[in-house]
Amino acid sequence: QLQLQGSGPGLVKPSETLSLTCIVSGGSISSSSYSWGWIRQPPGKGLEWIGSTSYSGNTHYNPSLRSRVTISVDTSKNQVSLNLSSVTAADTAVYYCAGPRGYYYFDYWDQGTLVTVSS
Amino acid sequence: DIQMTQSPSSVSASVGDRVTITCQASQYIGSWLAWYQQKPGKAPELLIYAASSLQTGVPSRFSGSGSGTDFTLTISSLQPEDFATYYCQQANLFPRSFGPGTKLEIK
Repeated sequence: QLQLQGSGPGLVKPSETLSLTCIVSGGSISSSSYSWGWIRQPPGKGLEWIGSTSYSGNTHYNPSLRSRVTISVDTSKNQVSLNLSSVTAADTAVYYCAGPRGYYYFDYWDQGTLVTVSS
Repeated sequence: DIQMTQSPSSVSASVGDRVTITCQASQYIGSWLAWYQQKPGKAPELLIYAASSLQTGVPSRFSGSGSGTDFTLTISSLQPEDFATYYCQQANLFPRSFGPGTKLEIK
């Protein structure tokens, strides 16, 4: 069974870049049938899709974040990464990675990483 | 972009009750709809995909129906562990979008 383990800094300063990684175990991240997504949830609020990608490099982003977000796959580490630049307090949220049908449905999720944007 | 709405935003019910939550898409999405359950402090869990397909391991008291723009999640007989927030999500078009959630509380 697939397992996802997210990690990254819990505190990021305004205007800096938020960087998170998600290690996938129990399967190859580069499987042709797999895709991976990032979703976030501000404290006390609902879920917001950030973007989805696969090993093929076909990546889709939420237009509201497209200018600041990059999602990539590192097959050597079996992990998917999220970078969000120029963060503000509005980017404070729990960030989740999910897959392996990340283009469509999110079967497995990591535990979530709370990222606070504050100086 | 496709907007998802849910009703009610919250509902109170008792153990053993039958509960129905509705989700509406702002445009046609076929059967490209999922339902998730989220408990406080936990990641969401996939319950239903493709509008009516039960995810492996999910109890059969959960069921989904609908197509096009109108969808329903039904819990046939509420159990104590079902009190949570439920979200729908469309998977027809990018950007993917979630409904605002329905909080199911104990009466």
